[in-house]
Amino acid sequence: EVQLVESGGGLVQPGRSLRLSCAASGFTFDDYAMHWVRQAPGKGLEWVSGISWNSGSIGYADSVKGRFTISRDNAKNSLYLQMNSLRAEDTALYYCAKGLGGSWYRAAFDIWGQGTMVTVSS
Amino acid sequence: DIQLTQSPSFLSASVGDRVTITCRASQGISSYLAWYQQKPGKAPKLLIYAASTLQSGVPSRFSGSGSGTEFTLTISSLQPEDFATYYCQQLNSYPPHTFGQGTKLEIK
Repeated sequence: EVQLVESGGGLVQPGRSLRLSCAASGFTFDDYAMHWVRQAPGKGLEWVSGISWNSGSIGYADSVKGRFTISRDNAKNSLYLQMNSLRAEDTALYYCAKGLGGSWYRAAFDIWGQGTMVTVSS
Repeated sequence: DIQLTQSPSFLSASVGDRVTITCRASQGISSYLAWYQQKPGKAPKLLIYAASTLQSGVPSRFSGSGSGTEFTLTISSLQPEDFATYYCQQLNSYPPHTFGQGTKLEIK
């Protein structure tokens, strides 16, 4: 079964850091780009970051550029999101998603995890 | 930045109705558009990519069309399980992967 399972969310104070993880199974992880997408409570979807199959190309939304870092470990079938300098507006459910191809650009997301909640509050 | 505007934002319809949702891009994005369905408490599900290609396993009552700046998602005959929120997503221009604001489809 193709599956993505996120972990690492929680309550964190503004300015602090958090690292999210996404464990993939059921497909050849190192063939595909991966992404993080977030959804604030009661709001729409916002793409956060994407990484190509070999980590050779990476993209970020302007809202997180310079604060968040995406990475992957193909040997461990895992995707990560290091989030620094967290703000209240980063509060959201963070989804891990698989791209349809190897490039993070110009390809839709066909598999999604169930998400991990990040709450930034003092 | 490219903006995606979905219309309507809310739609009330009955089982068996034909429904169309429109997504307009502020600049041309060729056919780099996807549609997703999201039910409450669930992750989004890919329905359509490349504007008109039906994702594997998605019922054929869903269809997509358009290119450039105007796109549509059509459900030919609404089923009870189709009541959900629908999002379009552009995959062409920077910042990439931006989503529309969503269309909530409710039972009349």
